[in-house]
Amino acid sequence: GAGVSQSPSNKVTEKGKDVELRCDPISGHTALYWYRQSLGQGLEFLIYFQGNSAPDKSGLPSDRFSAERTGGSVSTLTIQRTQQEDSAVYLCASSTGSYQETQYFGPGTRLLVL
Amino acid sequence: AQSVTQPDIHITVSEGASLELRCNYSYGATPYLFWYVQSPGQGLQLLLKYFSGDTLVQGIKGFEAEFKRSQSSFNLRKPSVHWSDAAEYFCAVAREYGNKLVFGAGTILRVKS
Repeated sequence: GAGVSQSPSNKVTEKGKDVELRCDPISGHTALYWYRQSLGQGLEFLIYFQGNSAPDKSGLPSDRFSAERTGGSVSTLTIQRTQQEDSAVYLCASSTGSYQETQYFGPGTRLLVL
Repeated sequence: AQSVTQPDIHITVSEGASLELRCNYSYGATPYLFWYVQSPGQGLQLLLKYFSGDTLVQGIKGFEAEFKRSQSSFNLRKPSVHWSDAAEYFCAVAREYGNKLVFGAGTILRVKS
């Protein structure tokens, strides 16, 4: 079937605006992850959803970042009042949630904050 | 906390030559270890993973990696590099099932003809 998809592929916004990034995981995958890839920080974990459990938000860099996962499938990462340091590629991954799972990554959303 | 070190930021090898990319991890227990590859403008693709058992792991595209607990290493190797292997390679560690990946800084591989 289809892999993980993300939209938009590119997003340019002005400082202070809010943005929403979308992730469609592989069908049937119960676990969903968001990572951020930036020049200064490399690849960083942001947030993790597993089924109906409370998400692991330990990687969110500030309270301007939030994410939700509706119906156990699609996820939206929201960044409020964007700052230039938020410019990065935001990667989504999903997995089956089973033992020895593999995370499958989407192509990412490239965010540029002017 | 876990951490991953990839000491080489850039590596250049000739096509047909052998390749070894270094990865060292820091974690108290037996880690789950991964190598991913990222081509320009693409997402991350899993090359191979280690959870337990045989310490020599075979992956896709002719890659293999060896887990050495005594050296806290998980180096990636390929006996003969192809031009299409030029990409960025990331080593990652996870604590256990259902947990976040901690990535190294990545190694950019350039292949010269």
